[in-house]
Amino acid sequence: DPKIIQKPKYLVAVTGSEKILICEQYLGHNAMYWYRQSAKKPLEFMFSYSYQKLMDNQTASSRFQPQSSKKNHLDLQITALKPDDSATYFCASSQSGNTGQLYFGEGSKLTVL
Amino acid sequence: AQSVTQPDARVTVSEGASLQLRCKYSYSATPYLFWYVQYPRQGLQLLLKYYSGDPVVQGVNSFEAEFSKSNSSFHLQKASVHWSDSAVYFCALSKNSNNRIFFGDGTQLVVKP
Repeated sequence: DPKIIQKPKYLVAVTGSEKILICEQYLGHNAMYWYRQSAKKPLEFMFSYSYQKLMDNQTASSRFQPQSSKKNHLDLQITALKPDDSATYFCASSQSGNTGQLYFGEGSKLTVL
Repeated sequence: AQSVTQPDARVTVSEGASLQLRCKYSYSATPYLFWYVQYPRQGLQLLLKYYSGDPVVQGVNSFEAEFSKSNSSFHLQKASVHWSDSAVYFCALSKNSNNRIFFGDGTQLVVKP
């Protein structure tokens, strides 16, 4: 059974719309992350959260907003979508202090038309 | 600044042959180093990691990697590849236990029958 659940697996959106990517982890981890993978930049760090607090943000655009309603949830809200946002978005988690031992979800593939 | 370079975008080998995937890093101190693998339509999975000590580290599925401080390298090796090893392999680096992971661009491994 997958320990990190990402929903939806695939989604298509129109330019200017808004989408929320869901991530839930059942590994008991206290750190969660979002990464983006596209043809232009194979694997790009976006955000990290620890105990539901933002630790690191490498996404320049405020159109990307992570939301952590529960300890094991880290959703990603994307507003005013652009075709360049088309990518696969991966959620990951780890136990704080266990560097590099990231566990990844299967990704949400977003296509913006 | 820190970075990871994987010079080979794609490597093709025959089943049963040996394999080396190259990784060079740039960082002023000794970083935490990792290899991850991504199978089609899946998230990344950790293969092995190096923090300190023996420069040769063993990972899952008979993979191993050798750290070389003098060459700033962390090459991945396997004595005999199987068709199921076909995937994208990512070398990654972290500065310390609470820092984010920087990934290389990945190497696509194709194993021919």
